[in-house]
Amino acid sequence: AQSVTQPDIHITVSEGASLELRCNYSYGATPYLFWYVQSPGQGLQLLLKYFSGDTLVQGIKGFEAEFKRSQSSFNLRKPSVHWSDAAEYFCAVGGQTGANNLFFGTGTRLTVIP
Amino acid sequence: DTAVSQTPKYLVTQMGNDKSIKCEQNLGHDTMYWYKQDSKKFLKIMFSYNNKELIINETVPNRFSPKSPDKAHLNLHINSLELGDSAVYFCASSQVFTGTTEAFFGQGTRLTVV
Repeated sequence: AQSVTQPDIHITVSEGASLELRCNYSYGATPYLFWYVQSPGQGLQLLLKYFSGDTLVQGIKGFEAEFKRSQSSFNLRKPSVHWSDAAEYFCAVGGQTGANNLFFGTGTRLTVIP
Repeated sequence: DTAVSQTPKYLVTQMGNDKSIKCEQNLGHDTMYWYKQDSKKFLKIMFSYNNKELIINETVPNRFSPKSPDKAHLNLHINSLELGDSAVYFCASSQVFTGTTEAFFGQGTRLTVV
C-alpha cells in the first residue's frame, strides 16, 4: 500500500540555520515524489519534484531534495532558512502517470525564530 | 492569472444544507481532483476525474459528488452537510495522459458546518 511518513511533526530552527525535513515513502512501483509548501491560510505550492534522472533535485526558494531509493527517502534541505520559510511542508508520492492521486504525508510544521 | 481557482474561499453553513464549491483551471490539464484537508492538516484524495473516468475514493460518502460541466471545471456538490464535513477542500489539476507533470492546487475552500 502507498504511504508517506514525515516523522517530524514540528521543527523549530533559527533564521540562517540549515534545515532538513525527512520523508519516507512506501510505493509499489516507481515513485514520483513531490514536496509542497502550505503557508498559513494558503493553498499548496510545489517546491520541487522527482520523476527520474539525477537524484538530487533543485527547487524554488533555495530548496533541494535527494531521492535515495535504498532508504525509500526523499528528504528536503535548505542551507540557510529565512523567516519567510515558516510554513507547513508536505511530502507526497504519486504513480507512474505522474501526479495522479497523490498520497500525502502528515506534514511538518516549520517555525523559524530570529 | 490564477491557474486553479476555487470559490468560495470560505463557506459557513448549517447542518443538513446542500452546498457546492466551484473549481476552474486554465492550464489546459486533462485531469482534475478534489482533496480534503482535515483539522490535523492531513490531505486525502477524494476524487480524480478526466473526460473518460471518475475515480472515487471508496471512503468518501455518497453525499459528495463531483460534477464536471467541461474539461476546465470540476465542482464539488455536498448534500445533507454534517458537522464532520468541516474541513478545507482543495481542488487540483494535472496533465496526466499526455505528459508527466505535478498537480497544481487551488487556494482551498474552508467549509465550516454549524
